Formats: sequence, C-alpha cells, structure tokens
Amino acid sequence: GIQVEQSPPDLILQEGANSTLRCNFSDSVNNLQWFHQNPWGQLINLFYIPSGTKQNGRLSATTVATERYSLLYISSSQTTDSGVYFCAVLIQGAQKLVFGQGTRLTINP
Amino acid sequence: DAGITQSPRHKVTETGTPVTLRCHQTENHRYMYWYRQDPGHGLRLIHYSYGVKDTDKGEVSDGYSVSRSKTEDFLLTLESATSSQTSVYFCAIKSENTEAFFGQGTRLTVV
Repeated sequence: GIQVEQSPPDLILQEGANSTLRCNFSDSVNNLQWFHQNPWGQLINLFYIPSGTKQNGRLSATTVATERYSLLYISSSQTTDSGVYFCAVLIQGAQKLVFGQGTRLTINP
Repeated sequence: DAGITQSPRHKVTETGTPVTLRCHQTENHRYMYWYRQDPGHGLRLIHYSYGVKDTDKGEVSDGYSVSRSKTEDFLLTLESATSSQTSVYFCAIKSENTEAFFGQGTRLTVV
C-alpha cells in the first residue's frame, strides 16, 4: 500500500521561529490534507491541497503532486501552534485517507 | 463544527464484553470512516463506508465490525473487547472531492 512519511518526527522551537514540515508519499494521490491535533486531541483541518500553494494567515502549504511531496510552513510560531501535525493522502481509485505518523511540534515561550 | 458527533466520548469496559461506538452526522456526506489512534502509530483506518450498507475494511479491521443502516449513522462494534483495543477512536466524514472532517474522538479503555 501507499506509504506516507513525515519529517521531522519532532521539532522544538522558540516562539517567533519559522518551521517547515514535510510529507512524502510513495504513490499518486487524488488529494492531500494537513491537520493539526491540538493538546486536547482535536483534529483541526488546516489545508485541503491536491496541488499548488495555499495560505491561511501564518500558515501556508505547497503540494507538488508530480514529485510526491507536500510542505507545511509555519511562520512566527506561537505557543498555540504546539501539537501534532498530520498529513493525510487520498488514495487514487478509493476514498481512503492514509495518514503519516505526524510531526510533534513544541513551541516554547 | 462539521456536523459530526461521536458517542460515547469516554468508555471503560471489561475484557470480553461487546462495545458499540456511534458516529452521527448531520451533513449527508457519502463517506464515513473509523480510525484508531495509538502512540507511535498515528491514525490507522479500521473500516469505512461509501454508502448505506456499503462498507469496506481498512488496515486494522480484525476484531471490529461496522454497520451503516442509514446515511447519518456509522456504528463500530467490538464483538469481544480486548486490552489491545484500548485506544482513541475517531470518526470522519467526507463527500466526493471534498475534505474530510473528524469528530472529537472516543477514548476507550478495556480493562
């Protein structure tokens, strides 16, 4: 089956720093989503991005489907950005979402 | 709020007992999913549904069954709960070519 790999697995930064999270996938996909799981366990939708670039405030995402990767950028990090960031891909020919293992981001004040 | 509700939110049950978790949506989405989340494993797909009475297995389906008798409800049943099924369970909904939305999760403890 398709493999989804996220890097780095853990990232610790000071408030105000910028970060880049990566998601690689092993096969063609129909779509890709980024989620943030907050410390209370809630999964929050960040981006739905099959290709190209989208921006939402301090966050932006880029997916290059032909090269099978996506990047999530967080600028001017805040402590509320802490949590686990997941990417999930939609398998072609099936409506199954397959998740990566996540990147745990810790923003220290 | 994406119109998705999981119940119960927390449950403690004994080994060997049956357990049913419910996912209810108010959005009329075609697809519904059950995932489990465990430390070190991310979210893994248990079963999903692509319509009423239409379901398929995910990567960790052993020990679980599902039913979808109407569009708005997707039930996950553990016929005989085991300690290895202690986990946080998430339900998700989506339509064709739209993003998926997740419920708030159910924390299940099997003692």
